[in-house]
Amino acid sequence: AQSVTQPDIHITVSEGASLELRCNYSYGATPYLFWYVQSPGQGLQLLLKYFSGDTLVQGIKGFEAEFKRSQSSFNLRKPSVHWSDAAEYFCAVGGDFQKLVFGTGTRLLVSP
Amino acid sequence: EAQVTQNPRYLITVTGKKLTVTCSQNMNHEYMSWYRQDPGLGLRQIYYSMNVEVTDKGDVPEGYKVSRKEKRNFPLILESPSPNQTSLYFCASSIPSSNSPLHFGNGTRLTVT
Repeated sequence: AQSVTQPDIHITVSEGASLELRCNYSYGATPYLFWYVQSPGQGLQLLLKYFSGDTLVQGIKGFEAEFKRSQSSFNLRKPSVHWSDAAEYFCAVGGDFQKLVFGTGTRLLVSP
Repeated sequence: EAQVTQNPRYLITVTGKKLTVTCSQNMNHEYMSWYRQDPGLGLRQIYYSMNVEVTDKGDVPEGYKVSRKEKRNFPLILESPSPNQTSLYFCASSIPSSNSPLHFGNGTRLTVT
């Protein structure tokens, strides 16, 4: 069965500093991988996705993620965090789209 | 504007009183799904629907019902709500393809006392 682990429940980053959110997955074949962001009071919005090709994918709002098959990871990065990036971030894995599995989320706090 | 609309946004009810949370999408998506979000557990799928009159259980279907009589609507029904169904609920839709993103509603926060 597929699963997703986001080991960090909370992360605090200073504004302007770089960010990396970790995501490890378990899936028997090449997975489809997603990062979603949830701002307070809002639904989830897609940041980026990987399903084939270049293992470094670019998303919206300056985010990128790298698929590393050998490490079963799909970490999210941003070179310079803005205060508006404070939100909760969810990694998700699917091969069977009806059963997209989400991680437990990482809450990002941005300090001045 | 393409969107998934859930109503109500907030709902407080008592144990055993039947309720329905509505979900409507204007993108002509075949696939729709309901999730609940709980602290420390992330999003868990309740039910999903591949198309009109086609529904199936997700990971946590107990205590919930759904229907899909029209393509755009996918209501979530709690026949006899219990306090353990206090949660944040999200409806989502997409085209039926594994690399298609889900479009989410803004959520319904349900409290059952």
